[in-house]
Amino acid sequence: SQKIEQNSEALNIQEGKTATLTCNYTNYSPAYLQWYRQDPGRGPVFLLLIRENEKEKRKERLKVTFDTTLKQSLFHITASQPADSATYLCALGAGGFKTIFGAGTRLFVKA
Amino acid sequence: DAGVIQSPRHEVTEMGQEVTLRCKPISGHDYLFWYRQTMMRGLELLIYFNNNVPIDDSGMPEDRFSAKMPNASFSTLKIQPSEPRDSAVYFCASSQTLQGNEQFFGPGTRLTVL
Repeated sequence: SQKIEQNSEALNIQEGKTATLTCNYTNYSPAYLQWYRQDPGRGPVFLLLIRENEKEKRKERLKVTFDTTLKQSLFHITASQPADSATYLCALGAGGFKTIFGAGTRLFVKA
Repeated sequence: DAGVIQSPRHEVTEMGQEVTLRCKPISGHDYLFWYRQTMMRGLELLIYFNNNVPIDDSGMPEDRFSAKMPNASFSTLKIQPSEPRDSAVYFCASSQTLQGNEQFFGPGTRLTVL
C-alpha cells in the first residue's frame, strides 16, 4: 500500500541554522508533492508545491527538492527563526484529488 | 474572504449521540474535502466533493459516517451513532481547481466522544 514516512522524532535546531526535514514515500508515483505547515490548534497551511519534473523549488527562506528516483523530498528552512517552530506535513498527489498526507515532523527552533 | 469556516470548534458528546459538523468553504472553490486527524493515524481524507457532488467517499470509516453538500457554500459531516474511537480533530478544506491543488483548511472541530 502507499506509504509516506516523515521523521516522527521532533527536530530541534538553533536559531539561524538550516532545518532540513525529510519525506520518503513508497508504492506511489506522485505527480506532485506539497509541504504544509501546521500550528497547534490550527489547520494545515500550504507552503510549496513541486511537480515530478521539477528538481527544486524555492520560496523566500524555503527550499524543496524532489527526487523521484530516491522517492524522497527534502524541505529546507534557511536562517531558521523561533517563529518557524511548527509541524510540517508533506503530501503527495497524482491525477485526481486524493492527496495523501504524511504524519508530519515537529520542528523546534531555539532562540 | 474569511477562509474556510467550521463549526462548532469543540464538541463533547456521549457515546451513541448524533454529531453534526459544519463547513463553509471559500467562495468560488469547486472542491471540498473532509479530513480526520489523530495522533495515531495522522491526517486522513474521509470524502471529497466537486461542485457539490461526492466524488470519493472511500475514506469514510463506516456507515455511521455520512456527508452532504446541499449547495456550494455549505457541507455537513454527520456521525450517528458516535463512538469514543471517533474522537479526533475534523478538518474541512476547499480548493479552487485541479491544477496546483493547494488546499485551504478550516480551523477544525475537536470532537470528544465520552
